[in-house]
Amino acid sequence: GEDVEQSLFLSVREGDSSVINCTYTDSSSTYLYWYKQEPGAGLQLLTYIFSNMDMKQDQRLTVLLNKKDKHLSLRIADTQTGDSAIYFCAEIASGTYKYIFGTGTRLKVLA
Amino acid sequence: GAGVSQSPRYKVTKRGQDVALRCDPISGHVSLYWYRQALGQGPEFLTYFNYEAQQDKSGLPNDRFSAERPEGSISTLTIQRTEQRDSAMYRCASSLVNLGNEQFFGPGTRLTVL
Repeated sequence: GEDVEQSLFLSVREGDSSVINCTYTDSSSTYLYWYKQEPGAGLQLLTYIFSNMDMKQDQRLTVLLNKKDKHLSLRIADTQTGDSAIYFCAEIASGTYKYIFGTGTRLKVLA
Repeated sequence: GAGVSQSPRYKVTKRGQDVALRCDPISGHVSLYWYRQALGQGPEFLTYFNYEAQQDKSGLPNDRFSAERPEGSISTLTIQRTEQRDSAMYRCASSLVNLGNEQFFGPGTRLTVL
């Protein structure tokens, strides 16, 4: 079945790195996404990775994909207070259009 | 417009009333999606349109929920005879094409059924 799991909360100090983890079950997923949700705003796409990649780096963001373990992670370097938000991972299987979202991880950055 | 817009942003209604939620996608986007997000959860797929055709409505919870996109642009999600369990954030997204293309989300409509 389709199920995407995330830990619920993460708290880090400003300037530290944050690592948000996600596990998924659909081995046919071709795209995996990270979205950021801030209060009163829509879901903002942060980054995505194709399933044939192991890593993708985009400025302060690093995405790691372990297909064998169906594990996805998002690392935010030099975390800032503006990074405080809920982060969702989402998968989409080949030939489909449905996003399957995780439960979201609430990141709190302490000044 | 610059992004996906939704209206109203907040809707409070009494149980048994009908509500209509509007989504205005990014201009030129072919595909439009509706999701429902309960508190503390991720969005869950409701239905999807390609142009004006409703391609998939498998996520609609029951026949009180319906959606339309008559001219292939603006879409309306209608909930008839609302119940308290319908309270949630309803999110709309659009994409240039379907099949894995990035979906751009609107700010959502927070529905509260008393």
